[in-house]
Amino acid sequence: ETGVTQSPTHLIKTRGQQVTLRCSSQSGHNTVSWYQQALGQGPQFIFQYYREEENGRGNFPPRFSGLQFPNYSSELNVNALELDDSALYLCASSRDTPGLAGPFYFGPGTRLTVT
Amino acid sequence: DQQVKQNSPSLSVQEGRISILNCDYTNSMFDYFLWYKKYPAEGPTFLISISSIKDKNEDGRFTVFLNKSAKHLSLHIVPSQPGDSAVYFCAASATGDDKIIFGKGTRLHILP
Repeated sequence: ETGVTQSPTHLIKTRGQQVTLRCSSQSGHNTVSWYQQALGQGPQFIFQYYREEENGRGNFPPRFSGLQFPNYSSELNVNALELDDSALYLCASSRDTPGLAGPFYFGPGTRLTVT
Repeated sequence: DQQVKQNSPSLSVQEGRISILNCDYTNSMFDYFLWYKKYPAEGPTFLISISSIKDKNEDGRFTVFLNKSAKHLSLHIVPSQPGDSAVYFCAASATGDDKIIFGKGTRLHILP
């Protein structure tokens, strides 16, 4: 399965600024997760949304927030950017309901650089 | 505390031979395991998965083996092809817990 898109591809922001990253999932994929992948690491779970509500969160501070919309699109917002927020941000979607094992399908990611 | 470990950062294999990528996990609640492949500038691509009720799952050239008692799984690629050169991530999840935990990845180089 394919069809998860993300925008923008690359982004450069200054420390302290705010950023919004966007994702468009496949039709029928009601579950969307966001991951942060730092250089040389595996993706780290940020949070998950199901039918427009957050239903799971990793070890990320509240300045990382999200939204999911009825049209299978979603957003990741990061406030008060820090240098360590520089990473690849990945969106992943699944047709499965939360709690059931099933693969997630990833978008190409947004490369965020904070200077 | 890394719950999913891929202890080999890189692996080189001759084209046509078998590639074996290994993964260990520490959380006994994990009951679903996945392998993803990632090319540069692309998101991870789902390859194959296995549920803890099985010990083997096969899909074409890819086979995943699960040893629950050892908390170990491996991905076998036979025969290895040049297009298999990529970073491979092992991942795991537990029923009822929605996050997927990833290892740090193993970079596979297929040599001509």
